[in-house]
Amino acid sequence: GENVEQHPSTLSVQEGDSAVIKCTYSDSASNYFPWYKQELGKGPQLIIDIRSNVGEKKDQRIAVTLNKTAKHFSLHITETQPEDSAVYFCAASIDDYKLSFGAGTTVTVRA
Amino acid sequence: DGGITQSPKYLFRKEGQNVTLSCEQNLNHDAMYWYRQDPGQGLRLIYYSQIVNDFQKGDIAEGYSVSREKKESFPLTVTSAQKNPTAFYLCASTPTLMGNEQFFGPGTRLTVL
Repeated sequence: GENVEQHPSTLSVQEGDSAVIKCTYSDSASNYFPWYKQELGKGPQLIIDIRSNVGEKKDQRIAVTLNKTAKHFSLHITETQPEDSAVYFCAASIDDYKLSFGAGTTVTVRA
Repeated sequence: DGGITQSPKYLFRKEGQNVTLSCEQNLNHDAMYWYRQDPGQGLRLIYYSQIVNDFQKGDIAEGYSVSREKKESFPLTVTSAQKNPTAFYLCASTPTLMGNEQFFGPGTRLTVL
């Protein structure tokens, strides 16, 4: 099955700086790549997603890039703010419903 | 308000007892899912259901059971056969099985003593 690896496991950034999280996947047939944000004690919430026919997608301070050849995709958060502190999960899917998740990245934004 | 509710937020059980976790949604979604989350690991799929009276095993179904008698409800039973049941359990739903964002509930933290 699909195997998703996520790095780094923890990330500390100064407020205003950028944060980058990277994920690799194993199954070249994967075509859907969502990113979820999970705040303490809550369920994950989708923040952005990308499909394999698109190389990059941006939504305000958040962007995702996809390199199908290398089988990796990345989340970029610019101008980080304290409310960006959370655990971020990447996922990959062949058929949209069966998501394979990375292990998560704990992001801490220092004021 | 539309959304997914899971109750209770915290649950404690003695080893050897079965326990049922509740998941209810009023989003009129067809598909529902159960995930397990352990520290330092991603979410792992336990069971999913596309439609009432139908459900499929996920990657780690052993020791768990589900039912889908109503569209709004997808309860998960953690049986005594589950070797390591202490975890954070998340329920999710989508309008259909394919092509849509998964909406998650707030989760239930189960501790087996």
